[in-house]
Amino acid sequence: KQEVTQIPAALSVPEGENLVLNCSFTDSAIYNLQWFRQDPGKGLTSLLLIQSSQREQTSGRLNASLDKSSGRSTLYIAASQPGDSATYLCAVSRYKLIFGSGTRLLVRP
Amino acid sequence: DAGVIQSPRHEVTEMGQEVTLRCKPISGHNSLFWYRQTMMRGLELLIYFNNNVPIDDSGMPEDRFSAKMPNASFSTLKIQPSEPRDSAVYFCASSLQDDYEQYFGPGTRLTVT
Repeated sequence: KQEVTQIPAALSVPEGENLVLNCSFTDSAIYNLQWFRQDPGKGLTSLLLIQSSQREQTSGRLNASLDKSSGRSTLYIAASQPGDSATYLCAVSRYKLIFGSGTRLLVRP
Repeated sequence: DAGVIQSPRHEVTEMGQEVTLRCKPISGHNSLFWYRQTMMRGLELLIYFNNNVPIDDSGMPEDRFSAKMPNASFSTLKIQPSEPRDSAVYFCASSLQDDYEQYFGPGTRLTVT
């Protein structure tokens, strides 16, 4: 059974810092891995999708990597801003998404 | 495109009542997913449709839950009778195909008293 773990559960950093969020999964037989952002009381916004054949994806200040063999993914956020404060969820897919419990990020001005 | 549309956004009902949640996927998307989010269990898949056909309903908690997709542009999730433990946020998502990027609706926050 696929299990997805995200570390840390919560993170507080000063504005401008570069930071890394971690995601690990137990079964490497995945189609893709998706990173989402969720603001309080809101839906999920897709940030990045990494296909199983890819190693990384970049969008603006975000960079996500995938190492299927070790069952790990990282989301790197460069030059963090207060507007980045949200919960970040990773999910692995074999047609359905299996979610981690998320990392709650607070970027302090 | 307007994205995935869900209604209602909030629903408050009494135990024992029937609840129907609605979803309109992104036009052209062939796969539709219903998820539930709770503090205790996080986000979990309830059921998944591909080309309007239910493929995996193993996440549906019990017979009180049912889902339909009568056409490519509409799906419903029904709870009958509702119970307080059904209180959660219910999300609908759609994708081009079942292993493509999924796009989520804003969710329906259900409270059963």
